[in-house]
Formats: sequence, structure tokens, C-alpha cells
Amino acid sequence: AQSVTQLDSHVSVSEGTPVLLRCNYSSSYSPSLFWYVQHPNKGLQLLLKYTSAATLVKGINGFEAEFKKSETSFHLTKPSAHMSDAAEYFCVVISSASKIIFGSGTRLSIRP
Amino acid sequence: GAGVSQTPSNKVTEKGKYVELRCDPISGHTALYWYRQSLGQGPEFLIYFQGTGAADDSGLPNDRFFAVRPEGSVSTLKIQRTERGDSAVYLCASSTTGLNTEAFFGQGTRLTVV
Repeated sequence: AQSVTQLDSHVSVSEGTPVLLRCNYSSSYSPSLFWYVQHPNKGLQLLLKYTSAATLVKGINGFEAEFKKSETSFHLTKPSAHMSDAAEYFCVVISSASKIIFGSGTRLSIRP
Repeated sequence: GAGVSQTPSNKVTEKGKYVELRCDPISGHTALYWYRQSLGQGPEFLIYFQGTGAADDSGLPNDRFFAVRPEGSVSTLKIQRTERGDSAVYLCASSTTGLNTEAFFGQGTRLTVV
């Protein structure tokens, strides 16, 4: 069965420093992987998706993620954090039965 | 509309009452999902429709919860005999069929049972 594990429930970084949000997946075949962001009292927004065309995926707002099959990871990164990046981030996998499976989420805080 | 629309945006109901939550998916999207998100938690899967039929309803917590999608478009989530523990944001998403197709989420309905 497919699943995702987000390794950190909370990450805090200073503005202007790099962001790393970790996600490991479990899948018996090439997975469909996504990162979504949820700002307070807002809906879920797609940041980026892995389509198997390229292992390094670029998303919106300067975020990117690298698919590493050997490590079963799909970590989300950004070179320089901005205050507006403060939000909840979800790693998501689509199962073979088309079920959307969410990780437990990582709350990103940005220190001024 | 351009996105997934959920109505109402907020619903306050008394314990024991019946509620209906509506989801209008993006036109042409065959897949429709319902999730429930409690405060500080990630979305919890409830049910998934492919067309008119429920392809997977394993997430419905008990028989008080029911969802329909009679014409393969609009879906209604129905909750009978509401309990305070049902209070949460109920999210709807839709997508086209196929791998690597992202789901588009509505803004959710915030249900409060008092």
C-alpha cells in the first residue's frame, strides 16, 4: 500500500535561510507525489507534482522537490525563506486505487 | 465556476440535527473526494467517487455519514444525528482520472456542532 511520512511536525527557520521539509514515501511502483500548502484559514493549494519526467521538480513560489528513488524521498526545499511561506505543508501520494493519501503535515514557521 | 465550490462555507448546528454539505466540482472532473480536517490535523479521507459511484467509502466513520453524487457532478455529504465530535472542516476535491493528475480542493465547509 502507498503511504507518505513527513518526518517533522514543525520546522522553524529564519527569514532568508534555506527551507527543508522532509517526506518519505512507500510505494511498490512509481508513485504520483505532490506537495500542497495550506495557509491559515485558506484552502489547499498545489505547490508541485512529480510526474516521472524529471526527478527535480520546480513549483510555485520558488519551491522545488527532488524525487530520490534510492532513498524513497521527496523532500521539499526553498533556497531562501520568506515570511509569507509560513503555513502547513502536506506531502501527498496518489494510491493505485486513486485515493489521495496525505502525510501528517509539517508546520513551517519563519522567524524575522 | 473555475474551481471547486463548497457550500455553505460555515455551518453551525445543534447536536442531534441533520446536515448536508454540498460540493460542486470542476466541470468535467470525474473523480470527487471528501475529506475531514480537524484542528491541527491533516485531512482525513472519507469517501471517493468515480463518476456516480462510490469507489471507496472506507473512510466514512460510521453509518451516520453518507454521501451521494447522483449525476456524476455535484456531491452531497450527509450527516445524521450530528455529534460534537463531528465538528471539523469538511474538504471536497475533484480531479480528472489518471496518474499524476492533481486534485483541486475547495475552501471547505466549517461545521460546528454545539
